[in-house]
Amino acid sequence: GESVGLHLPTLSVQEGDNSIINCAYSNSASDYFIWYKQESGKGPQFIIDIRSNMDKRQGQRVTVLLNKTVKHLSLQIAATQPGDSAVYFCAENESGGSNYKLTFGKGTLLTVNP
Amino acid sequence: SQTIHQWPATLVQPVGSPLSLECTVEGTSNPNLYWYRQAAGRGLQLLFYSVGIGQISSEVPQNLSASRPQDRQFILSSKKLLLSDSGFYLCAWSYSSYEQYFGPGTRLTVT
Repeated sequence: GESVGLHLPTLSVQEGDNSIINCAYSNSASDYFIWYKQESGKGPQFIIDIRSNMDKRQGQRVTVLLNKTVKHLSLQIAATQPGDSAVYFCAENESGGSNYKLTFGKGTLLTVNP
Repeated sequence: SQTIHQWPATLVQPVGSPLSLECTVEGTSNPNLYWYRQAAGRGLQLLFYSVGIGQISSEVPQNLSASRPQDRQFILSSKKLLLSDSGFYLCAWSYSSYEQYFGPGTRLTVT
């Protein structure tokens, strides 16, 4: 899910299908990862997080998978609904320090077709 | 519960005019505060962060400045706006964790 040029990667799915959004992260020292959902014209909302001592974490209809070997993160949304249409960002921490900074990926636009 | 406010929601300003965007957080003390800019169809670029009153760190050289006059107030300013300052400005807070909570954002158009 990294952008090319000025265009966000896009994923179009049918309502009821499962969605998988991918993200490659850059810092092998990162030990905390978050997925955010951003609807048009709104601020990002927290979806789910995962620490590097885990490779899978499940929430309500969402699952995050972490592959530290290839520095890859994915978000799976089960039974995708029209309300899931949004831009999805992954973020990784800058470990250490007290500023709790995050580095965000460029986002993936998910469109759910009814 | 904690809430974060930003105003104004939208702003149209001419080139060369000053800017002041405000962000306030309720329901928490001594939060870390962040200002991000998001260009259309792009990701979030961290502009400033603050770990306490009067403590501001700038992430990128730019035409903007930030101030934190009170514990839960974060202000983004400019003396003279440029066309390239247009974008969606987001304020966020965190408290002893990496999970950041975002405000509703301000859409700035410089004409």
